[in-house]
Amino acid sequence: AQKVTQAQTEISVVEKEDVTLDCVYETRDTTYYLFWYKQPPSGELVFLIRRNSFDEQNEISGRYSWNFQKSTSSFNFTITASQVVDSAVYFCALSEAGGSGNTGKLIFGQGTTLQVKP
Amino acid sequence: DGGITQSPKYLFRKEGQNVTLSCEQNLNHDAMYWYRQDPGQGLRLIYYSQIVNDFQKGDIAEGYSVSREKKESFPLTVTSAQKNPTAFYLCASNPGWRGYTFGSGTRLTVV
Repeated sequence: AQKVTQAQTEISVVEKEDVTLDCVYETRDTTYYLFWYKQPPSGELVFLIRRNSFDEQNEISGRYSWNFQKSTSSFNFTITASQVVDSAVYFCALSEAGGSGNTGKLIFGQGTTLQVKP
Repeated sequence: DGGITQSPKYLFRKEGQNVTLSCEQNLNHDAMYWYRQDPGQGLRLIYYSQIVNDFQKGDIAEGYSVSREKKESFPLTVTSAQKNPTAFYLCASNPGWRGYTFGSGTRLTVV
């Protein structure tokens, strides 16, 4: 069975600190996708990144970076120089790849609530 | 602009009533999904549909029903059999197995 674990329920940092959100996943599929979403207080899910299982290159987008390691089944998310606007709930998710019998449904972790204090 | 429209944003239900949450997309996506979110928890899959006139149960389908008569629409009915329906409901669509788009959600409260 597929599973996503975000062990950190809540994290509180002071503005300008770096913060890493952990994500560990379980799957038997060899082809899969990993995602990070941000959920601000309004509730809508904001897409941050998608990574396929064959691409282990780390990715950087501005203050955001992601570290994908298949050997440890982890897909961690780091925010550098955090800002108050980064305060939100962050979800890591896993989806099956396309193919016969696969649904493409997203499986979410429990989420990590990040609070950035000024 | 293309996207997913969920309505209403807030919904109040009396105990014993059925209510229907609307989800419409103009992205021409084949697959659509309904998720439920409880406070402090992740999203759990209720139902999904890969194609018109076909849908599958997710992890927590009991007390819910759906229909998929049109590609653009995937309404969710919360029936009286759902004993604890107060939650935040999110609809999503997906053209394949990538690029999920989410609606802005419906907050359902039992009064």
